[in-house]
Amino acid sequence: EVQLVESGGGLVRPGRSLRLSCTTSGINFGDYAMGWVRQAPGKGLEWVGFIRTKVFDGRTDYGASVKGRFTISRDDSKSTVYLQMNSLKIEDTAVYYCTTTSGSADNWGQGTLVTVSS
Amino acid sequence: DIQMTQSPSTLSASEGDRVTITCRASQSISSWLAWYQQKVGKAPNLLIYKASTLESGVPSRFSGSGSGTEFTLTISSLQPGDFATYYCQQYSSYPATFGQGTKLEIK
Repeated sequence: EVQLVESGGGLVRPGRSLRLSCTTSGINFGDYAMGWVRQAPGKGLEWVGFIRTKVFDGRTDYGASVKGRFTISRDDSKSTVYLQMNSLKIEDTAVYYCTTTSGSADNWGQGTLVTVSS
Repeated sequence: DIQMTQSPSTLSASEGDRVTITCRASQSISSWLAWYQQKVGKAPNLLIYKASTLESGVPSRFSGSGSGTEFTLTISSLQPGDFATYYCQQYSSYPATFGQGTKLEIK
């Protein structure tokens, strides 16, 4: 069974940083591209970005609203993907979901809530 | 970025009804389209990818069609567990983008 478990969410002040982690099991992690999707309270889904496998040099792509502030990385030895979020804004408040991705988001974690507030 | 527009935003229907949700892309995305179902308080769940391929374990009453810029998700006979919000997503080019969602309500 594929499991994705996000952690690291919480309350953070505007302008500060936070790092989310997503630990996986049930898959050969190194074979999977991994992505992040977020959902602001009461709103729709927003694609944050993804990281390719080492075969594709672990290259990343990001949504416009987070590009330059957020960084996705991976540690295949730990079956874990990270989302480093810098210069956080109030509008970054959302539930952040980790996904496996083949273009579509195939498997999802349960999400972790990030609240940016002063 | 490619814009995805779903219609309707809200759909009221009854158990047993056949319903269709439409998703339009601002430019051609070939068949690089996925559909998701999200129930309240839960993570989304992949239903369909590549416009018409049913994800493993998804009931056959769900079907997808279309290519280019216009796509549909059809539920042939609504069951109680189908009342949820549905999203389309294009992955033809990055950044990938989602539609705004369609809330399927009980009439």
